[in-house]
Amino acid sequence: NAGVTQTPKFRILKIGQSMTLQCTQDMNHNYMYWYRQDPGMGLKLIYYSVGAGITDKGEVPNGYNVSRSTTEDFPLRLELAAPSQTSVYFCASRQRKAPGALHFGNGTRLTVT
Amino acid sequence: TQLLEQSPQFLSIQEGENLTVYCNSSSVFSSLQWYRQEPGEGPVLLVTVVTGGEVKKLKRLTFQFGDARKDSSLHITAAQPGDTGLYLCARREDKLIFGTGTRLQVFP
Repeated sequence: NAGVTQTPKFRILKIGQSMTLQCTQDMNHNYMYWYRQDPGMGLKLIYYSVGAGITDKGEVPNGYNVSRSTTEDFPLRLELAAPSQTSVYFCASRQRKAPGALHFGNGTRLTVT
Repeated sequence: TQLLEQSPQFLSIQEGENLTVYCNSSSVFSSLQWYRQEPGEGPVLLVTVVTGGEVKKLKRLTFQFGDARKDSSLHITAAQPGDTGLYLCARREDKLIFGTGTRLQVFP
């Protein structure tokens, strides 16, 4: 199993551009999450999904959109990129049952200039 | 917003010292998880606590869940440089929120 795979690993965007961060998992996990982590800080939840077709806002959803058309994929869309969105983005998944450890991807380092 | 406050925010100690990290909330947790994150990587689960008053041990790490299930602590005995990292607590619910984090540095 590959686990949680995120692409790309690095990206530089200009202000106002758009992009999609891809996330896929092969563990048949129902729950998937997108977090952002600013330098030296903790993780902030952007959006999450408890199953295909269901998404909900996290702590910091503004400027982002998600979709969950399949169990495996949970892409994060940035529209009109802003410097405040410069961060490392982590996708994670877990099963519904306990202990339900989060499995993280390797992260996407995004810079908006 | 159900905040998870961790303290201290930063901790810098010598190898061999003991330390305690705290995680507090104004609301009750159904269950709580502790993670450790090393630079350049995603967090890795250390433990899940479910029952009020529960104590779990993982080698030199001792995790305690408060009786009222509003707080938790992580105690490390005889810290080693390999314990260096960002320690995060998280409410184990559908909307999985992380605490503010404690950054630990252990010097040889």
